[in-house]
Amino acid sequence: SYELTQPRSVSVSPGQSASITCSGDKLGDKYACWYHQKPGQSPVLVIYQDNKRPSGIPERFSGSNSGNTATLTISGTQAMDEADYYCQAWDSRTVVFGGGTKLTVL
Amino acid sequence: EVQLVESGGGLVQPGGSLRLSCAASGFTFSRYDMHWVRQATGKGLEWISGIGSAGDAYYAGSVKGRFTISRENGKNSLYLQMNSLRAGDTAIYYCARGKEGDSSAFDIWGQGTMVTVSS
Repeated sequence: SYELTQPRSVSVSPGQSASITCSGDKLGDKYACWYHQKPGQSPVLVIYQDNKRPSGIPERFSGSNSGNTATLTISGTQAMDEADYYCQAWDSRTVVFGGGTKLTVL
Repeated sequence: EVQLVESGGGLVQPGGSLRLSCAASGFTFSRYDMHWVRQATGKGLEWISGIGSAGDAYYAGSVKGRFTISRENGKNSLYLQMNSLRAGDTAIYYCARGKEGDSSAFDIWGQGTMVTVSS
């Protein structure tokens, strides 16, 4: 079955850029999307179709996807961006999530 | 307001059954693919099932043959019939809407309903 791999944790200082990677076989041939989830809350879609932002998502969130890796970048990271981040892709009529990355804003 | 509200969770014994419901409002339910995603306490997200606007259903291997997804467009409702439940099925169950134009991205999520499988 298809697997997506994310780092368990990423740390960033306020105002700096944070990058979270998601790796999977030929992931660049599929669409990737990203969610963030804060404790006790439901997930929120922040990037879809590799690099599109839903309405209401700040411009500091951006995405890319090529080869075997999709990347979520948060520019000018704010304390409110501290959350768990999940990548997701679609493969053979199943949806696959990455294991999640805890973003800590120090 | 676009909203999804899950219900039907609770405590069930191993081997038992439970039916979850998801009530949709604020959008034309029949036009969208819908999904169920679960999350065990302290763990990541796990997609378990989806259903297209035409009623075509698909499942994760972990629940195939035990869970059945269905929808009733006239009632703006999504369902998940869960049979032969195991301790490993214990989780918060979310319903989610597939985004228009990219149904593999979930743009609206409910608040979740807790399912506990324990004797």
